[in-house]
Amino acid sequence: SQQGEEDPQALSIQEGENATMNCSYKTSINNLQWYRQNSGRGLVHLILIRSNEREKHSGRLRVTLDTSKKSSSLLITASRAADTASYFCATVRNNAGNMLTFGGGTRLMVKP
Amino acid sequence: ETGVTQSPTHLIKTRGQQVTLRCSSQSGHNTVSWYQQALGQGPQFIFQYYREEENGRGNFPPRFSGLQFPNYSSELNVNALELDDSALYLCASSFLGQKDYGYTFGSGTRLTVV
Repeated sequence: SQQGEEDPQALSIQEGENATMNCSYKTSINNLQWYRQNSGRGLVHLILIRSNEREKHSGRLRVTLDTSKKSSSLLITASRAADTASYFCATVRNNAGNMLTFGGGTRLMVKP
Repeated sequence: ETGVTQSPTHLIKTRGQQVTLRCSSQSGHNTVSWYQQALGQGPQFIFQYYREEENGRGNFPPRFSGLQFPNYSSELNVNALELDDSALYLCASSFLGQKDYGYTFGSGTRLTVV
């Protein structure tokens, strides 16, 4: 079963705009990670945020985490056509080893 | 650039057959995990291996089995293939002991069962 749900399922924006994706999860977590997947290929790790952190930045990426609401958001600023991909959040739950539990993903299309 | 390699990239099998997928972990990583990703869905955890033993398993039947070798390479074996086993199979390596550590994924093996 999937821990998280991404919202929206699909997002289409123009190059230069910001893209925001949201993720909700069900159980307490150790950390939450965001991954990108291009055209059914392997996943690329983007960013990890620990359960005691509220916000993290990496380049054009900004991730927030609200453990009280069991939700996270990923913001991509100044999007580019190359950002077109599927984005997945994945949680590492407490007492569950290193197992990742993924949501269903957001399919982002950035139009040039 | 990924340090995890998987083979083969594509595979077509007939229902009832057996398949073995292979994965070479990233250098320095001591755990390997396997995920199944059906079309249009997020990956589902199959199992994880650490020090050549299974140390976590998702909701998959026993006909899904694996091996991890001393060099941290790994195999996923699926017996009695079913049509629903058609999916992208992803291998991921990480370093157990560092929970604040992202996974490195391979490019996957796309299995089609006909």
